[in-house]
Amino acid sequence: GENVEQHPSTLSVQEGDSAVIKCTYSDSASNYFPWYKQELGKRPQLIIDIRSNVGEKKDQRIAVTLNKTAKHFSLHITETQPEDSAVYFCAAGFNKFYFGSGTKLNVKP
Amino acid sequence: EAGVAQSPRYKIIEKRQSVAFWCNPISGHATLYWYQQILGQGPKLLIQFQNNGVVDDSQLPKDRFSAERLKGVDSTLKIQPAKLEDSAVYLCASSLWGATYEQYFGPGTRLTVT
Repeated sequence: GENVEQHPSTLSVQEGDSAVIKCTYSDSASNYFPWYKQELGKRPQLIIDIRSNVGEKKDQRIAVTLNKTAKHFSLHITETQPEDSAVYFCAAGFNKFYFGSGTKLNVKP
Repeated sequence: EAGVAQSPRYKIIEKRQSVAFWCNPISGHATLYWYQQILGQGPKLLIQFQNNGVVDDSQLPKDRFSAERLKGVDSTLKIQPAKLEDSAVYLCASSLWGATYEQYFGPGTRLTVT
């Protein structure tokens, strides 16, 4: 089955800095790569996703890049704000769906 | 559009007891997922339904966990008998069709086994 690895497990940045979270996957058939944000005690919410026919996607301060050859994809958050503090999960799917282990992002004011 | 509904929101039981969770997905969503999220970890897929058929239940502990999705709409997840390590949040999610569409999550059921 699919194996999704996510790094780092924790990330602390100063407000205004950029944050990068990386994931690798094993199943070359995976073609959908979403990122979820989960605040404490709340449900995961989709923040951005990318499909395998696209290499990069941007939405304001958030961007995702995908390298299908290397089987890795990354989340980039620019100009971080304290409200970006949360746990971020990557995921990969085709017929089935698998989550990474999560990155706890702490943005210090 | 109504979201994914789950009940109960919280449940405390003793080990060896049984418990059942209910999920109502977004109307028209063919795919339904049950996840187990242990504190500090990512959601772990327990079972994925496409309509009322099972796509993946490879990580479902079938000696104690069971799930069904009758009529391809609502779903129930049951644990019998519960163990201490089953303490977790059980998340239900649905998507339009398959694992290549956005998943919408319900609020989850927090289970504590004592």
